Amino acid sequence: GENVGLHLPTLSVQEGDNSIINCAYSNSASDYFIWYKQESGKGPQFIIDIRSNMDKRQGQRVTVLLNKTVKHLSLQIAATQPGDSAVYFCAENSGDSGYSTLTFGKGTMLLVSP
Amino acid sequence: NAGVTQTPKFRILKIGQSMTLQCTQDMNHNYMYWYRQDPGMGLKLIYYSVGAGITDKGEVPNGYNVSRSTTEDFPLRLELAAPSQTSVYFCASSYSQGVDSPLHFGNGTRLTVT
Repeated sequence: GENVGLHLPTLSVQEGDNSIINCAYSNSASDYFIWYKQESGKGPQFIIDIRSNMDKRQGQRVTVLLNKTVKHLSLQIAATQPGDSAVYFCAENSGDSGYSTLTFGKGTMLLVSP
Repeated sequence: NAGVTQTPKFRILKIGQSMTLQCTQDMNHNYMYWYRQDPGMGLKLIYYSVGAGITDKGEVPNGYNVSRSTTEDFPLRLELAAPSQTSVYFCASSYSQGVDSPLHFGNGTRLTVT
C-alpha cells in the first residue's frame, strides 16, 4: 500500500543505471533468503532466492549476493527500468517450520527516474 | 487463475466494531497465511493454516481469529477493533510448507480503526 514507503530508506537511480539494494539479516543460523518486490497498492512478489550454501545466484536482470561472514545480503538490478520502482525487502528463514519462521525485513524504496 | 483474492480493499472501522477480512485462493494450495504490514515495518505473521480444519498462531495473533473450513477460503476475523489494528493486511498461500515453494500474496486490505 501507499504507506509502506513511509520511514523507509530510499534509493534513487536513473533509468539504465545498475541498482544495489542491501539487507542486513540478524540470525546466523538462517539458511534461506528471499527477495520480494512490492509495488504500490499490491502484495509482495517473489523475485529471487538463495540458500546459505551459495554466495551468488543470478536471475533475469537480478543477482543476489550473500555474505554470511557479515550477515549481509544484496540485490543487484541491472539496467534499471521505471517499472522497477517499488519497495524491495528481504526475508530470512531461521527455522524448519517453513513460512511460519520467515522473518521479513523493513524494505528499501527504489525510485527510478526516466 | 485469479490467484489470491482479498476483499474488501479498504475499510474504516470504529473502535469496538467487528469485521471479517475475506481471502480466497484458486490454486488448490494447502498452506495459507495472514500477515499485517505496518508503515516502515516488515510483514508480521498473524495466523496460518496447513490445511482445511487446521490453524495455528503466528507471531502477532492477539485480537484476531481465523477459520479454515475449506481449502480455498481463509477468513480473518477482528472481534473488537482497536486503533493498534490499523494496518494493511495480506493473505498469502503456498503449495507446500517448504520456503522454496513461493508465497503468493493477495493485494491487501487497508484497514483503519478510529
